[in-house]
Amino acid sequence: DVKVTQSSRYLVKRTGEKVFLECVQDMDHENMFWYRQDPGLGLRLIYFSYDVKMKEKGDIPEGYSVSREKKERFSLILESASTNQTSMYLCASSLVIGGTRTYNEQFFGPGTRLTVL
Amino acid sequence: RKEVEQDPGPFNVPEGATVAFNCTYSNSASQSFFWYRQDCRKEPKLLMSVYSSGNEDGRFTAQLNRASQYISLLIRDSKLSDSATYLCVVNSKDFMDSNYQLIWGAGTKLIIKP
Repeated sequence: DVKVTQSSRYLVKRTGEKVFLECVQDMDHENMFWYRQDPGLGLRLIYFSYDVKMKEKGDIPEGYSVSREKKERFSLILESASTNQTSMYLCASSLVIGGTRTYNEQFFGPGTRLTVL
Repeated sequence: RKEVEQDPGPFNVPEGATVAFNCTYSNSASQSFFWYRQDCRKEPKLLMSVYSSGNEDGRFTAQLNRASQYISLLIRDSKLSDSATYLCVVNSKDFMDSNYQLIWGAGTKLIIKP
């Protein structure tokens, strides 16, 4: 079974703090993704990575950065947390099949519910 | 107009009934489509992919209507355990570049009642 783990299920931070969210997958997947999920909006892609040290911006990268130093680990960083970053953050991974990068089955971690006060 | 739209529901359905819901998409160049299931306070999990001919998996049938730009999910003989939010995902090409993107709908909530 593919397993994607995230460092925290619940996190409470204060405005202006630097926040690190960690994600680890154990299936040697090339692609890794960070999403946020808000009520009524669906999942929105923040960043994704298709290889170690490679990253691409998603739909809403502002206020976030990422790091992928090892294939199994993809970190999301909130440089200076703000209240509008209160959300559920979901990490996902997927295989590369047939040279495609984005439309294969994605396996998700359990999510981190972040509250910024 | 949102790129991918779903009726948020909730759909309240008695156990054993058949239920169907749709997902509309705006980009006619979309190539592939998926249904994910998300249980309350859990992560999304792939339910089924939807290809041009549609497909069936047990009680679940997914169809694609390119002319009207929507996909559908039909659940027959619904079970209490089918209660969840069903997320539609569309692979759409951004005309500004060559990279395909996955666009997620906000989901349809389904409640199966005994």
